Amino acid sequence: EPEVTQTPSHQVTQMGQEVILRCVPISNHLYFYWYRQILGQKVEFLVSFYNNEISEKSEIFDDQFSVERPDGSNFTLKIRSTKLEDSAMYFCASSLASGGYYNEQFFGPGTRLTVL
Amino acid sequence: AQTVTQSQPEMSVQEAETVTLSCTYDTSENNYYLFWYKQPPSRQMILVIRQEAYKQQNATENRFSVNFQKAAKSFSLKISDSQLGDTAMYFCAFMKSFEWSGNTGKLIFGQGTTLQVKP
Repeated sequence: EPEVTQTPSHQVTQMGQEVILRCVPISNHLYFYWYRQILGQKVEFLVSFYNNEISEKSEIFDDQFSVERPDGSNFTLKIRSTKLEDSAMYFCASSLASGGYYNEQFFGPGTRLTVL
Repeated sequence: AQTVTQSQPEMSVQEAETVTLSCTYDTSENNYYLFWYKQPPSRQMILVIRQEAYKQQNATENRFSVNFQKAAKSFSLKISDSQLGDTAMYFCAFMKSFEWSGNTGKLIFGQGTTLQVKP
């Protein structure tokens, strides 16, 4: 069964460094998402991406964040200058559609980001 | 703005028994989707069940069913004949409907309920 994969599973970085979190969505999916979950808190929406552009972003997704689909298979989240408060589990998801019957989002296993 | 609230941080149930997880939400939208996602320990989130708000009939998927009360903005999940493999974190989530208000696929999650099924 196709699934969403994410690498790395755990990333440790120093405050102020740039990190890139990588995701490989399900191959025929068209909509891509990033969510994050700070330990002990709820899963929060960061951004949705369709047709090579951001379709919605949350207030969390400030200028330090960017997303890209560089090669038609990977979907990346870049944090330009990490802060301590960026420490969280980051989930990638993909779906065939954004609405209607095929709007089920399939989630990856997550990348745990630790900022020291 | 939409919000989703799960007021039970943890629950436990004996194997083969029935358990109900609660979820309430707030929205001014008339058309939307509600979901229950399951996240087993160290595994990815998977969809358990989905409800379209315009459908009056409660969704069911095998041992999983929902009680959708649109006026009360309540969306509870009932798990019948609980199995050890049902042990997981369960998230209730809301999505605006595509058809009427534009939809980017944004899911709004509740805080989650950790369910422990005991042998």
